[in-house]
Amino acid sequence: EVVLTQSPDFQSVTPKEKVTITCRASQSIGGSLHWYQQKPGQSPKLLIKYVSQSMSGVPSRFRGSGSGTDFTLTINSLEAEDAAAYYCHQSKSFPHTFGQGTKVEIK
Amino acid sequence: QVQLQQWGAGLLRPSETLTLSCAVYGESFSDFYWSWIRQSPEKGLEWIGEINEIGRINYNPSLESRVTMSIDTSKNQFSLKLGSVTAADTAIYYCARYYGSGSYSLAYWGQGTLVTVSS
Repeated sequence: EVVLTQSPDFQSVTPKEKVTITCRASQSIGGSLHWYQQKPGQSPKLLIKYVSQSMSGVPSRFRGSGSGTDFTLTINSLEAEDAAAYYCHQSKSFPHTFGQGTKVEIK
Repeated sequence: QVQLQQWGAGLLRPSETLTLSCAVYGESFSDFYWSWIRQSPEKGLEWIGEINEIGRINYNPSLESRVTMSIDTSKNQFSLKLGSVTAADTAIYYCARYYGSGSYSLAYWGQGTLVTVSS
């Protein structure tokens, strides 16, 4: 099973700051890495698929990058509405797995 | 626009069977895999498994001995059964669909069902 480890677990950030969340896989997953945003009481929302492909309607401040075992979600110029938990997900091999999540709080 | 609407019992006693269903609206049921995921504070997001319209299934090995997924294409519904539940199965359960055929990001999610296992 591929283990995904996100860092940090928690980040408190001032609006307009840049946020960087990393996701490290226990083995190479190529480009089969996706990112989700989850706000309290809501289902996860797909932000970015296959490392860097942004979903329709996702603000351009969200960017994904990486390959192999190391991946990054960057939020440029954080806005108040970005307060949420963020999860990575690998679909390279079964069982699919998720990172433990990174909670982003607005200062 | 694809919509997933799920339902099922929210309170179970230990050893009972969890049964959830998910109805699909807005798009053809064919050519996709349909998934179940659960979320708990202890384990985070956990992929349970997936099924396609011809009944091809992949389960998470950690749950495989207790899980059964099924699909009813005539009703555009798919279902999850998890047997012999314990408190460790307490979680929010989601049904979901991948973005597209051959694309395995989870683009469409149900609203979630909180399932509590307690005596």
